[in-house]
Amino acid sequence: QSALTQPASVSGSPGQSITISCTGTSSDVGGYNYVSWYQQHPGKAPKLMIYDVTNRPSGVSNRFSGSKSGNTASLTISGLQAEDEADYYCSSYTSSSSEVFGGGTKLTVL
Amino acid sequence: EVQLEESGGGLVKPGESLRLSCAASGFTFSTYSINWVRQAPGKGLEWVSSISSSDTYIYYADSVKGRFTISRDDAKNTLYLQMNSLRAEDAAVYYCARDGKHTAGRYFDYWGQGTLVTVSS
Repeated sequence: QSALTQPASVSGSPGQSITISCTGTSSDVGGYNYVSWYQQHPGKAPKLMIYDVTNRPSGVSNRFSGSKSGNTASLTISGLQAEDEADYYCSSYTSSSSEVFGGGTKLTVL
Repeated sequence: EVQLEESGGGLVKPGESLRLSCAASGFTFSTYSINWVRQAPGKGLEWVSSISSSDTYIYYADSVKGRFTISRDDAKNTLYLQMNSLRAEDAAVYYCARDGKHTAGRYFDYWGQGTLVTVSS
């Protein structure tokens, strides 16, 4: 199972919006509405931000939103804040009942 | 409060074995699927293995199939990962992560802080 494709880095200024893409295949992202997104700060464990493409866990800011079109899922962060600077990973359930992560995207808040 | 705490990491030589543990608390452990996810130094996340409630379903990444064995002891609220024939590429921080779903699909709603496995001669 090949890793999902994410941009290596994205950046934005405080208050702006950014979008991180996550591209897979019809055997993972495109085949199921089971895409999740994780935020990871340096030296910390990942934190769930979005699950099942669009759902936010309790306690996660509504500035974070998810969507999907075909084989590509996206995470949008609006009203960028300094604390959003982190690595972001997408993940998808697959047709072989495994899980595949994206390579990760480093978000820099300028 | 949901808590997951990994232990058992350390330095081993290529070809050796190691067993990781993950102690869970704050939720009904027996009713959840639990996973192992690893992260090599400076690299991304990689799903390793999953075990469902009652051991009904067990899955492994191709990279560890035949070498790693996941298991659970619901009486002790503990998850295990037996790692045999370790390779340099298995070196990583190993996280246990709870699967928040009880239906199809998977997502990881709680994570431990990880335990570091180093494989070097």
